[in-house]
Amino acid sequence: EAQVTQNPRYLITVTGKKLTVTCSQNMNHEYMSWYRQDPGLGLRQIYYSMNVEVTDKGDVPEGYKVSRKEKRNFPLILESPSPNQTSLYFCASSWGLASTSTDTQYFGPGTRLTVL
Amino acid sequence: AQTVTQSQPEMSVQEAETVTLSCTYDTSESNYYLFWYKQPPSRQMILVIRQEAYKQQNATENRFSVNFQKAAKSFSLKISDSQLGDTAMYFCALDVRDDKIIFGKGTRLHILP
Repeated sequence: EAQVTQNPRYLITVTGKKLTVTCSQNMNHEYMSWYRQDPGLGLRQIYYSMNVEVTDKGDVPEGYKVSRKEKRNFPLILESPSPNQTSLYFCASSWGLASTSTDTQYFGPGTRLTVL
Repeated sequence: AQTVTQSQPEMSVQEAETVTLSCTYDTSESNYYLFWYKQPPSRQMILVIRQEAYKQQNATENRFSVNFQKAAKSFSLKISDSQLGDTAMYFCALDVRDDKIIFGKGTRLHILP
């Protein structure tokens, strides 16, 4: 089954304690992306990756890091989490940035992060 | 299980025309939120419109409006006076308030000059 998986689904942590949210896709997609969802603000892109070893900042990259060592995995790293990073996080993948194809983006189930 | 279905993978309309994108969903919850997101080729996700299930009045945002039929579990998006900048992928999403949002597969909309 084609899917994007995220772990953990729920996480409560304290300020300053480093954490990693994993994301994995089994569709051999080149493009992967992280978003955060906040009430009233909708989804905002944090980072994205066009391919292995290629990452770039989205709209709200501050306080986050990513890596793309393998095509299937795109972990999101919070080196020193703060309460304003409490949010719902989504990983997504697709074939690419195609603007004319019918390519769609597949979303993971989301990770609810609470930083105390 | 919650589901979101967008039955139109791709649509094309002439500039200035009105277009309606369909979305149906399924949930056993009585209180939830529905969203339409616009995704241009850059892959940003832009919130277009938001509807709270307990509100009967259909949400509107300028040229964008929804037809929310709760009993039928339908949530269509109408774009009036379409513009070239409306060309994008549109996602319907269901938020059932258990920290999970379900997205439809998307409808790719082309606005033709």
